[in-house]
Amino acid sequence: GENVEQHPSTLSVQEGDSAVIKCTYSDSASNYFPWYKQELGKRPQLIIDIRSNVGEKKDQRIAVTLNKTAKHFSLHITETQPEDSAVYFCAASGTDRGSTLGRLYFGRGTQLTVWP
Amino acid sequence: EAQVTQNPRYLITVTGKKLTVTCSQNMNHEYMSWYRQDPGLGLRQIYYSMNVEVTDKGDVPEGYKVSRKEKRNFPLILESPSPNQTSLYFCASSLGVNNEQFFGPGTRLTVL
Repeated sequence: GENVEQHPSTLSVQEGDSAVIKCTYSDSASNYFPWYKQELGKRPQLIIDIRSNVGEKKDQRIAVTLNKTAKHFSLHITETQPEDSAVYFCAASGTDRGSTLGRLYFGRGTQLTVWP
Repeated sequence: EAQVTQNPRYLITVTGKKLTVTCSQNMNHEYMSWYRQDPGLGLRQIYYSMNVEVTDKGDVPEGYKVSRKEKRNFPLILESPSPNQTSLYFCASSLGVNNEQFFGPGTRLTVL
């Protein structure tokens, strides 16, 4: 099955700086890569996703890049603000060995802290 | 309002006492999942379902059961809870595996 690794596990930046979180995956057949944000005490929510036919996608201060050859994808947050402080999870779609059903595999998360 | 609901939101129980956490969605989603979240371990998938009567194990299925008799409901059953199942549980639903997952509010379970 798929294996998703996420780095770093914690990240502290000054307000206004950029933040980058990186994930690698193992299954070359994976074709969907979402990013979720989880604020303290709340449920995870999708902030951006990318599919394998696209190399980059932007939404205001957030962007995701995908390198299929190297099997890694990254989340970029520019002009960070204190409200960006949260846990961020990457994920990749895939299929377990012996199963025909697709599922999402999550990274372990990155705690981002933005200092005023 | 489109949403995923879970009940109960908080539960304290004792080892061995069977319990069910309900999950319901009103978005006509085919794909539903259960996750547990523990500090430092992220979101680990317990079970998932592609449609009615179609379910499969995730990363940590031991000690859990699920059923998908109706499209909207996906209950999580702990037949004999143990303290290592103390965790925060999330249900999620989506149109398909390659679509946005909508998470429920979470259920915090403590097994004494």
